[in-house]
Amino acid sequence: QSALTQPASVSGSPGQSITISCTGTSSDVGGYNYVSWYQQHPGNAPKLMIYGVSNRPSGVSNRFSGSKSGNTASLTISGLQAEDEADYYCSSYTSSATWVFGGGTKLTVL
Amino acid sequence: EVQLVESGGGLVQPGGSLRLSCVASGFTFSSYWMYWVRQAPGKGLVYVSDIKSDGSSTRYADSVKGRFTISRDNAKNTLYLQMNSLRAEDTAVYYCARGPPSLDYWGQGTLVTVSS
Repeated sequence: QSALTQPASVSGSPGQSITISCTGTSSDVGGYNYVSWYQQHPGNAPKLMIYGVSNRPSGVSNRFSGSKSGNTASLTISGLQAEDEADYYCSSYTSSATWVFGGGTKLTVL
Repeated sequence: EVQLVESGGGLVQPGGSLRLSCVASGFTFSSYWMYWVRQAPGKGLVYVSDIKSDGSSTRYADSVKGRFTISRDNAKNTLYLQMNSLRAEDTAVYYCARGPPSLDYWGQGTLVTVSS
């Protein structure tokens, strides 16, 4: 199972919005509404930010939103804040009944 | 409060074995699928294996199939990963996590280093 494709890095200024893409195939992202997004700060465990394509767990800021079109899912962060600077990973269920992650995107808040 | 605490990592020679444990608390462990995910130094997250709530079904990434075995003891609220025939490329932080369909709680991870 090949990793989902994410941009290696994105950046934005405080207050701006950014979008991170996650491209897979019809056997994973495009075939199921089981796309999740995780935030990971250096030295810490990943934290769930979005599940089921567009749902936010309790406690996650509404500045984080998710969507999907075809084989590509997206994470949008609006009103960028310094604490948003982290690595972000997407994940999807696959037709092999396993899970696949994206390669990760490093978000820099300028 | 949900907690997942991994242990068992360390330095092992190529070809060696190691068993990781993950003790769960704060939720009904026997009701959830559980997962192992690893992260090589400076690299991304990679799915390793998962196991059904009652232990009756297990799945593995191709890279570990035949070498790693996932299991659980619901009476002890503990998840295991038996790792055999270890290779240098298995070097990583190993996380246990609760799911699915998303991994909503993660442990802090345990570092496995395979080196001579």
